[in-house]
Amino acid sequence: DTGVSQDPRHKITKRGQNVTFRCDPISEHNRLYWYRQTLGQGPEFLTYFQNEAQLEKSRLLSDRFSAERPKGSFSTLEIQRTEQGDSAMYLCASSYTGQDEKLFFGSGTQLSVL
Amino acid sequence: QKEVEQDPGPLSVPEGAIVSLNCTYSNSAFQYFMWYRQYSRKGPELLMYTYSSGNKEDGRFTAQVDKSSKYISLFIRDSQPSDSATYLCALYGGATNKLIFGTGTLLAVQP
Repeated sequence: DTGVSQDPRHKITKRGQNVTFRCDPISEHNRLYWYRQTLGQGPEFLTYFQNEAQLEKSRLLSDRFSAERPKGSFSTLEIQRTEQGDSAMYLCASSYTGQDEKLFFGSGTQLSVL
Repeated sequence: QKEVEQDPGPLSVPEGAIVSLNCTYSNSAFQYFMWYRQYSRKGPELLMYTYSSGNKEDGRFTAQVDKSSKYISLFIRDSQPSDSATYLCALYGGATNKLIFGTGTLLAVQP
């Protein structure tokens, strides 16, 4: 499978715990995006990378959220001290530079904070 | 005012019907207009892609963009139960380097 891969598919955690998600983009793509989607809403932008550089972060992204893409390949999204309001689907997407409007999404990680 | 407005539905139609899905937007800088399809518990997949105004057809799907009215549409002909999904409009352009999504319209095609 050469699509965008996300792990885990589902994560259940207790409030206050830290969680980390991983995304493996399509190998030729140098841009990687994180979005968050809640029930009945469209995906909301969180942050994006060009290669290893994090170029933009949404105001939605509180200090508890951090994302990395250390070698310009896979990326991780960490949420510290999770809150119930963090419960959502976290989607990763990738694209070619120059075709940034064509995002290819993974299947997402569904986070439930109890 | 939201940048992109989309009727969330749900929309229920019989098999074989023509479906019309729409979005309006406020930022005239948008230049690329996409429709994504999202099945339950899956990520969105790119369905249609249009640059600037005009029509684009792909099989049973037609995308229309009217930049003067800031209005985009997706038509599905001869709808099938397998078309049952959430349809998201997505816009790109101007100073932003990210896709802006509508809320999505949930479509159910009844056999």
